[in-house]
Amino acid sequence: GENVEQHPSTLSVQEGDSAVIKCTYSDSASNYFPWYKQELGKGPQLIIDIRSNVGEKKDQRIAVTLNKTAKHFSLHITETQPEDSAVYFCAASQGSGTYKYIFGTGTRLKVLA
Amino acid sequence: GAVVSQHPSRVICKSGTSVKIECRSLDFQATTMFWYRQFPKQSLMLMATSNEGSKATYEQGVEKDKFLINHASLTLSTLTVTSAHPEDSSFYICSATTGTGTEAFFGQGTRLTVV
Repeated sequence: GENVEQHPSTLSVQEGDSAVIKCTYSDSASNYFPWYKQELGKGPQLIIDIRSNVGEKKDQRIAVTLNKTAKHFSLHITETQPEDSAVYFCAASQGSGTYKYIFGTGTRLKVLA
Repeated sequence: GAVVSQHPSRVICKSGTSVKIECRSLDFQATTMFWYRQFPKQSLMLMATSNEGSKATYEQGVEKDKFLINHASLTLSTLTVTSAHPEDSSFYICSATTGTGTEAFFGQGTRLTVV
């Protein structure tokens, strides 16, 4: 079955700097890769996603890149702000919403003011 | 975006009792719902997938008789933790999808504490 690895587990950056979180997956059939932000005591919220027919996607300060050959994808947050502090999860799926997601282990991001 | 509501957000129950958690899609019809369990500082582990009107598909290692899932309508799925024990204490999260190939939407989670 699919296995998703995520690094780093914790990440501290100064406000204004960039943050990069990386994930690798094992199943070449996976073709949908969402990223979620989870704040303490709350459910995950989708922040960006990418499908396998695209190599990069950007939404304001957030971008995701995908390398299907190497089976890895990354989240890039630029100009980080204290409110970006949260736990971020990547996931992989063989479809999109209709198929089960396999989540990475999470990255606790702390943006220092 | 679409809204998925879970109820209750927190529940404390005595060991041996059963607890029901509801997951509702408020503004769309959810053909598929997923139930996850999350331990502190850990990732989301998929427990089961439910499709409206059919039996849930449980992941390996998840006891179907302990975690009863009912997806009776296109807007409601319930998870019942039967004969709860302290080790069942966890954060339970549902997600729902319209089935048209779009994203899955997550509920806010339910923190269950069994004492």
